[in-house]
Amino acid sequence: SYVLTQPPSVSVAPGETARITCGENNFGRKGVHWYQQRPGQAPILVIHSDDERPSGIPERLSGSDSGGTATLTISRVEAGDEADYYCQMWDRTSDHVVFGGGTRLNVL
Amino acid sequence: QVQLVQFGAGVKTPGASVKVSCKAFGYRFTGHFIHWVRQAPGQGLEWMGWINPNSGETKSTQKFQGRVILTRDTSISTAYMKMNNLNSDDTAVYYCARGFYGDYVPDFWGQGALVTVSS
Repeated sequence: SYVLTQPPSVSVAPGETARITCGENNFGRKGVHWYQQRPGQAPILVIHSDDERPSGIPERLSGSDSGGTATLTISRVEAGDEADYYCQMWDRTSDHVVFGGGTRLNVL
Repeated sequence: QVQLVQFGAGVKTPGASVKVSCKAFGYRFTGHFIHWVRQAPGQGLEWMGWINPNSGETKSTQKFQGRVILTRDTSISTAYMKMNNLNSDDTAVYYCARGFYGDYVPDFWGQGALVTVSS
């Protein structure tokens, strides 16, 4: 089954670029999705299918993949980007949804 | 406008059951899976299972099998998650979410229902 590994936290200054990684233990991944969760709020889908932005998500947020690691990149970081970010995949073998452990983005 | 509205939050005693409902608005309820995800205080997201509202088929993690029942009522566009034999480890916010982009990407989420298990 899939295990998705994220760093516990990432810290960046306003205006800089934040990169949050998601490593998975099974090569041949079939699509990574990313969620933003601000304190006290429900998660919001910000990237689906590796690099697609849902309507209303700023272009500053982008997704990419390199081998077994997916990356969420947030350019020109703002204070409002401070949140927890989760990656997610579908394990087609078990037909289960899998979430990474989450990464807290700290804006210094 | 897609919206999921949840009910069923509250305080439960150990051993009790809870039933959380999730009413869908703004899309064809039977066209998309409903996923259930929980989040314990200060912890990450934990996927629990999904229900196909069209067929009633369900899938859940082994951790919850036998203790969690997922159902739906298509006449009122509502999905339900019932958990039996609650313990303190079940204290969490329970979310429902619509599955999209092939059913396995929760795209719109309910507001969450806080279930607190305490004696």
